[in-house]
Amino acid sequence: AQTVTQSQPEMSVQEAETVTLSCTYDTSENNYYLFWYKQPPSRQMILVIRQEAYKQQNATENRFSVNFQKAAKSFSLKISDSQLGDTAMYFCAFMRVGSNYKLTFGKGTLLTVNP
Amino acid sequence: DVKVTQSSRYLVKRTGEKVFLECVQDMDHENMFWYRQDPGLGLRLIYFSYDVKMKEKGDIPEGYSVSREKKERFSLILESASTNQTSMYLCASMSGLYTGELFFGEGSRLTVL
Repeated sequence: AQTVTQSQPEMSVQEAETVTLSCTYDTSENNYYLFWYKQPPSRQMILVIRQEAYKQQNATENRFSVNFQKAAKSFSLKISDSQLGDTAMYFCAFMRVGSNYKLTFGKGTLLTVNP
Repeated sequence: DVKVTQSSRYLVKRTGEKVFLECVQDMDHENMFWYRQDPGLGLRLIYFSYDVKMKEKGDIPEGYSVSREKKERFSLILESASTNQTSMYLCASMSGLYTGELFFGEGSRLTVL
């Protein structure tokens, strides 16, 4: 079974600064996807960024980028130029290819962006 | 704009009551999911469905059942609610394309007294 670990229950950052959220996972699979999802306060959870394990290049989406270290089974999220709207719970997730689309989520990191 | 709608944002029920949580998606997605979200535990998969009338157990199916009679609708049923089922319930859908992108509803916060 796959496990996803987010070791930082809470983090805070000043507006306009950069913050990195950590995620590690455990799997014996070679073909999988990794995700970061964002859940703003009282709002729907949305996908932030996705990484295919077979791709060596790190995914980026505007101010969001990942550092994917396959051998170390590490998948961190970097948020640059943090904005107040980035305040949210962030979940790291894993999906094995061929798993009937089942995602395994970490326990989440609550990020607060301070003005 | 894609939409997943959960019928109730807040419910309060008594122990032993039968509870229905309804979820409707308008994206023609094949796959639908029910998660439970608890502080410090993240999201845990209760059940999912990859087609009409098809369902599979997730990681914590005990005490729950589901129904999918139509492609757009996926219901979660608590046959006899208990206090340890007090939680936030999230419905999500995903297309058949292998993207891994879940589209979530706003959640249903259930309190069982």
